Amino acid sequence: DAKTTQPNSMESNEEEPVHLPCNHSTISGTDYIHWYRQLPSQGPEYVIHGLTSNVNNRMASLAIAEDRKSSTLILHRATLRDAAVYYCILGAARLVFGAGTILRVKS
Amino acid sequence: GAVVSQHPSRVICKSGTSVKIECRSLDFQATTMFWYRQFPKQSLMLMATSNEGSKATYEQGVEKDKFLINHASLTLSTLTVTSAHPEDSSFYICSARTRPWAFEKLFFGSGTQLSVL
Repeated sequence: DAKTTQPNSMESNEEEPVHLPCNHSTISGTDYIHWYRQLPSQGPEYVIHGLTSNVNNRMASLAIAEDRKSSTLILHRATLRDAAVYYCILGAARLVFGAGTILRVKS
Repeated sequence: GAVVSQHPSRVICKSGTSVKIECRSLDFQATTMFWYRQFPKQSLMLMATSNEGSKATYEQGVEKDKFLINHASLTLSTLTVTSAHPEDSSFYICSARTRPWAFEKLFFGSGTQLSVL
């Protein structure tokens, strides 16, 4: 399974943008980059995914490096409800989760 | 959006008994379902992949005789923890996708907290 590396934790102020990085230097050409987030005692929630081009949806944006060895999840205006563990996963037939990044949002 | 319902949300059982957890896709047909377990303050660990009508594929180190998975229909998969012991206490989460392709997103259930006494 291709591995991802994320910072253990990050902190943001409410209403400010957040950039969550993910390194995936061993990504293969067919691996999609998926982001999910998990609130305490809940199942994960889909955030966004992409292959090569940057992607935007109502939750977030995904910026993918040209060599695809890294990506960044962008939350444009963090709210307290965005506090969660964010997982960057390389998608294939199976989605294997790494350790993720704990995002704390300060009011 | 697509909804995955997982039941029960919490179960307490005695050591040696079996527990069944259900995972249903409410508004879509799930050709593939996944089962994960999660210990406190840890990430999700993939246990097995099940495709409708086929035997589940278990991850290395997961005992298939202990964690029985059935995916008999396109909307229902079950995980049975047989002869449960305290070390099986964990948060179990199911997920489903409409098609078994890498770009398809997963929809997750809300999880089942299993406590074995």
